[in-house]
Amino acid sequence: QVQLVQSGGEVKKPGASVKVSCKTSGYSFTAYNVHWVRQAPGQGPEWMAWINPNSGGTNYAPKFQGRVTLTRDTSITTAYMELSGLTFDDMAVYYCAKEGAGWELQHWGQGTLVTVSS
Amino acid sequence: DIQMTQSPSSLSASVGDRVTITCRASQPITKYTNWYQQKPGKAPKLLIYSASNLQSGVPSRFSGSGSGTDFTLTIISLQPEDFATYYCQQSYSTPHNFGQGTKVEIK
Repeated sequence: QVQLVQSGGEVKKPGASVKVSCKTSGYSFTAYNVHWVRQAPGQGPEWMAWINPNSGGTNYAPKFQGRVTLTRDTSITTAYMELSGLTFDDMAVYYCAKEGAGWELQHWGQGTLVTVSS
Repeated sequence: DIQMTQSPSSLSASVGDRVTITCRASQPITKYTNWYQQKPGKAPKLLIYSASNLQSGVPSRFSGSGSGTDFTLTIISLQPEDFATYYCQQSYSTPHNFGQGTKVEIK
């Protein structure tokens, strides 16, 4: 079965960077884009970006352009999201998700809580 | 950016009720709307993709319709496990924005 397992919660200081991993299994990793979505406390989901694991090509939401970097390691079927210049507004649960056939987010990771605290 | 305006923001309903949630896109997006259900502390779960396609394993009481700018999620005969928050999302162009959500509560 398809699984996406994310790394554990992180506590970071303002200005720092955070890197979240998303280990996938149960499907062909290079066949489907992996998306990243975040959700601040009490808010709706916010789409951030996707990566094509085959080519390494990426697409970032303008809001995050210049601050977010998506990478992948095909040898271990894992995708990564790094967000730099953290502020208190970046406190959220960050999710990775496997795309389906029509750009929908078909399978999701369990989420990673990123706390920003001075 | 394409904005998704969802309504209502919340509703109260009883078990067995028919529930309809709507989503309007700020510009035409053909069929590229998806619907998700989210329960507290959990990741969103895909219900409907490309406006009207039921995701595998999702009960048939859920259905979606619409095209262009107006989309609808319908739950016929609401069940206790359906009390949750529902989000639409457009996947026509990036950024793939979500609607603000509809919380379905027990009357």
